[in-house]
Amino acid sequence: AQRVTQPEKLLSVFKGAPVELKCNYSYSGSPELFWYVQYSRQRLQLLLRHISRESIKGFTADLNKGETSFHLKKPFAQEEDSAMYYCASEVGGTSYGKLTFGQGTILTVHP
Amino acid sequence: DAMVIQNPRYQVTQFGKPVTLSCSQTLNHNVMYWYQQKSSQAPKLLFHYYDKDFNNEADTPDNFQSRRPNTSFCFLDIRSPGLGDAAMYLCATSRSASGKGGTYNEQFFGPGTRLTVL
Repeated sequence: AQRVTQPEKLLSVFKGAPVELKCNYSYSGSPELFWYVQYSRQRLQLLLRHISRESIKGFTADLNKGETSFHLKKPFAQEEDSAMYYCASEVGGTSYGKLTFGQGTILTVHP
Repeated sequence: DAMVIQNPRYQVTQFGKPVTLSCSQTLNHNVMYWYQQKSSQAPKLLFHYYDKDFNNEADTPDNFQSRRPNTSFCFLDIRSPGLGDAAMYLCATSRSASGKGGTYNEQFFGPGTRLTVL
């Protein structure tokens, strides 16, 4: 079974500092990977997906198949980035878009 | 705005008393999902519908059932809630990108229903 690991439950940085939220996956094939975010009192929403290769709100994430990682990075963190971040994978095929979530990382950006 | 709506936002029930949570969507998405999220844990998929095709996760307890009477609505029924069923229940929808068995688009989540079992 696929597994998604986010080793940091909590991450604190100061405004303007670089931030990296770590994510590792266990599936040996080619999963589709996502970062979802939940801001305070808001619903869970998609931040970015690896297949799009986009930068959203200054965040990027590169899929590293050798290290089975999909770390989320931003060079200069902002206070409004404070939120819960979930890494998720989708195997595809017959899995009907089933998402497997990591445990989540709470990011706090201090002024 | 097109969206995913969950009612009620907070539900309190008694141990063993059946409860139904509802989800509706105006996105016209063909796939609907129910997740359970316990405190400080990741959302865990319970089951989902691809159109009317119901798909149960292997480890979803029999106590949990679901109904999807039409495209817009999906219900989660908990037949005999136990204390361990207290959680946030999230509904999500997506549109199949390439059909059954293919890769799907992003999932759109509702605000969740927080269930308390007394």
